[in-house]
Amino acid sequence: LAKTTQPISMDSYEGQEVNITCSHNNIATNDYITWYQQFPSQGPRFIIQGYKTKVTNEVASLFIPADRKSSTLSLPRVSLSDTAVYYCLVGRYNQGGKLIFGQGTELSVKP
Amino acid sequence: DAGVIQSPRHEVTEMGQEVTLRCKPISGHDYLFWYRQTMMRGLELLIYFNNNVPIDDSGMPEDRFSAKMPNASFSTLKIQPSEPRDSAVYFCASRAGGTGELFFGEGSRLTVL
Repeated sequence: LAKTTQPISMDSYEGQEVNITCSHNNIATNDYITWYQQFPSQGPRFIIQGYKTKVTNEVASLFIPADRKSSTLSLPRVSLSDTAVYYCLVGRYNQGGKLIFGQGTELSVKP
Repeated sequence: DAGVIQSPRHEVTEMGQEVTLRCKPISGHDYLFWYRQTMMRGLELLIYFNNNVPIDDSGMPEDRFSAKMPNASFSTLKIQPSEPRDSAVYFCASRAGGTGELFFGEGSRLTVL
């Protein structure tokens, strides 16, 4: 399984763009990259998933360089409600398999 | 769909008692996962099932823990006997095959005194 490394914590202010980078040097050819968000007292919630290049949805963008050894979750114009823990996962979803959560990044958005 | 349903939401028990946590996955999902979350250890994968069959239980802490999935709509995680160090939030999650989107339940907060 590819190990992921993220910053433990980040601070931001309302209205700013936040980029959280995840390192996954041992990513395998069939692995996808998925990001989750977790609020206190709730289970994690899916944000976005990608394999290469760029993926965008209504809440975030995911940038994956050509070597796929890292990925960056981009949250545009964060608000106080984006304060949460963000997890990066790498896994072979098409072939089943474990989905292991790392330590996550605790994002704190200040007014 | 009601999402992944877990029960009980909160349980307080005494050391040595048996604890049973329950999970109903989303209909049609063929993967089910049990996770445990604590401040010290984060989110740990305990066991996961595919089509009701346990695939990997290497995360189960010890023999006191057991999990079953008798059918596609129900799973249990049992701790017998429980110990204070088992206090945690236990999450159940399910997903459809071929996707990475896990759907989590609201969790069961277990306190063992």
